[in-house]
Amino acid sequence: AQTVTQSQPEMSVQEAETVTLSCTYDTSESDYYLFWYKQPPSRQMILVIRQEAYKQQNATENRFSVNFQKAAKSFSLKISDSQLGDAAMYFCAYRSARSNYQLIWGAGTKLIIKP
Amino acid sequence: GAGVSQSPRYKVAKRGQDVALRCDPISGHVSLFWYQQALGQGPEFLTYFQNEAQLDKSGLPSDRFFAERPEGSVSTLKIQRTQQEDSAVYLCASSLAGAPNYGYTFGSGTRLTVV
Repeated sequence: AQTVTQSQPEMSVQEAETVTLSCTYDTSESDYYLFWYKQPPSRQMILVIRQEAYKQQNATENRFSVNFQKAAKSFSLKISDSQLGDAAMYFCAYRSARSNYQLIWGAGTKLIIKP
Repeated sequence: GAGVSQSPRYKVAKRGQDVALRCDPISGHVSLFWYQQALGQGPEFLTYFQNEAQLDKSGLPSDRFFAERPEGSVSTLKIQRTQQEDSAVYLCASSLAGAPNYGYTFGSGTRLTVV
């Protein structure tokens, strides 16, 4: 069975600086998808960035980028120029390419932005 | 609608009471998912619908949990004889199709507290 581990319960960063959130996963599959979701106090999960395992190039979305290390089964999220609105819970999630639905989630990292 | 709508936003139930949680997905979204998120944890998969067909209910924790989507649009998650361990946020998500590259859209969840 696949598992997702986020080892940092909480991270804090000064506004405008860069922070990296860690995620590791365990799977025997070669084809899968990885996601970072943001969950603000409103509780709605918002997709931040996604990565297809067959792509070697790391995904980037504006200030958000990932460092995908397939052999190490690592998928970290880098947030550049942190803004107050980035404060939230961040969840890493895995989805098999063979099953079309179920996301497997990490326990989350609480990101605090210091003004 | 523009997003996934869940109601009620908050529900307090006395132990032993039956509850019904509603999810109104984005119009035209074929796939619908229910997840349970306990406090301080990542979501856990409950069940998955493709149109009106419930293709996977392996995540439902007991036979007290029942979900339906009779016309392939609105879905209801019903919990009978609620217990304290059922206290959690129940998230609903929908997607245009089952393919992994289609993103999910999540609702803001229903926070269920069983007292």
